[in-house]
Amino acid sequence: DSGVTQTPKHLITATGQRVTLRCSPRSGDLSVYWYQQSLDQGLQFLIQYYNGEERAKGNILERFSAQQFPDLHSELNLSSLELGDSALYFCASSSRPDNEQFFGPGTRLTVL
Amino acid sequence: SQELEQSPQSLIVQEGKNLTINCTSSKTLYGLYWYKQKYGEGLIFLMMLQKGGEEKSHEKITAKLDEKKQQSSLHITASQPSHAGIYLCGADGTGTASKLTFGTGTRLQVTL
Repeated sequence: DSGVTQTPKHLITATGQRVTLRCSPRSGDLSVYWYQQSLDQGLQFLIQYYNGEERAKGNILERFSAQQFPDLHSELNLSSLELGDSALYFCASSSRPDNEQFFGPGTRLTVL
Repeated sequence: SQELEQSPQSLIVQEGKNLTINCTSSKTLYGLYWYKQKYGEGLIFLMMLQKGGEEKSHEKITAKLDEKKQQSSLHITASQPSHAGIYLCGADGTGTASKLTFGTGTRLQVTL
């Protein structure tokens, strides 16, 4: 158990819908990262927050957005969902931006 | 952008045998991270290497980063069924450890 929690574990929705994935980092960790893992793209970095501020951005679509709240939990919002958005979405956290990242168990999103 | 190539893509070894997984970067690495993933589950942090020539060991797993910091190897001694899973290398190409780029993974099966 890494100490990073993600909810929900599974999510099934339809195309065009919007969903919110939630992540609670390890106690004391200020950095939160979001990744998408799919069969064809592998594990891709989406975005990082550090203490509430966006720090780094990867291949995140405009339909996706994230934020980190004052209590340090983070949410990833996915809108206008497409079939291709079906994937495992991981959250990771670290104590400092240059430290190793600890991953949560992931949320499996299925878009039908 | 940085690319990571892992080899082999998959590996089947008999219990008790040694094995090596390689990770080669297209650019100089500021840091190299090894993770293990059980299918469909979260990533488990194994080791982080930052200095050229660095070598770290944990239980029966040893990871090395070459002097030029463009290649890393993960060596498992006397493999056990518990070592089975997908091994991923992640690279920090910016020095900030924010945008980790991951390899496509090596799937390891350990037979009895």
